[in-house]
Amino acid sequence: AQSVTQLDSQVPVFEEAPVELRCNYSSSVSVYLFWYVQYPNQGLQLLLKYLSGSTLVKGINGFEAEFNKSQTSFHLRKPSVHISDTAEYFCAVSEGRNRDDKIIFGKGTRLHILP
Amino acid sequence: DAGVTQSPTHLIKTRGQQVTLRCSPKSGHDTVSWYQQALGQGPQFIFQYYEEEERQRGNFPDRFSGHQFPNYSSELNVNALLLGDSALYLCASSLGLAGREQYFGPGTRLTVT
Repeated sequence: AQSVTQLDSQVPVFEEAPVELRCNYSSSVSVYLFWYVQYPNQGLQLLLKYLSGSTLVKGINGFEAEFNKSQTSFHLRKPSVHISDTAEYFCAVSEGRNRDDKIIFGKGTRLHILP
Repeated sequence: DAGVTQSPTHLIKTRGQQVTLRCSPKSGHDTVSWYQQALGQGPQFIFQYYEEEERQRGNFPDRFSGHQFPNYSSELNVNALLLGDSALYLCASSLGLAGREQYFGPGTRLTVT
């Protein structure tokens, strides 16, 4: 069965500093991987996705993530954060091989930007 | 191009009551999935609808049921509400492979008192 572990429930970081949000997954087959962002009182917005191909994936708002199959990780990074990046970030996985598949989410990491 | 819409935005119900939440998928999408997000948690998969049938279900009791209409819109029904059903209910739509990418609505905040 698939599962997702987000290793940090909260990450404080100073504005304009770099940040890494960690995500590990488990699955017995090849996977699709996603990062979603949730701003306060809103739904989820897709930041980026890995389906196949290059292991370095670039997303919106300057975020990127690297798929590491040997370490079963998909960490999210941004070289310089802004106060507007304050939000909850969710890593998610699916086996994505057929219509009946589903996306499994981690518990989330709250990114707290310090002035 | 309208995204995923959900109604109502907020809802307050009493224990034991029944509730219906509604979702309209993104234009062109034919698959709808429902998630429950408790406070401080990630979304938990409830079920998924395609071609008006429930295709996959998460670990939720039969009190949770749904429906998909010919226009692809969907409803989530919860019977015999419990305090623990208080959560943000998210609808997501997709086209083709549901596990490939889903677009989420803003959610319905359900409070059970």
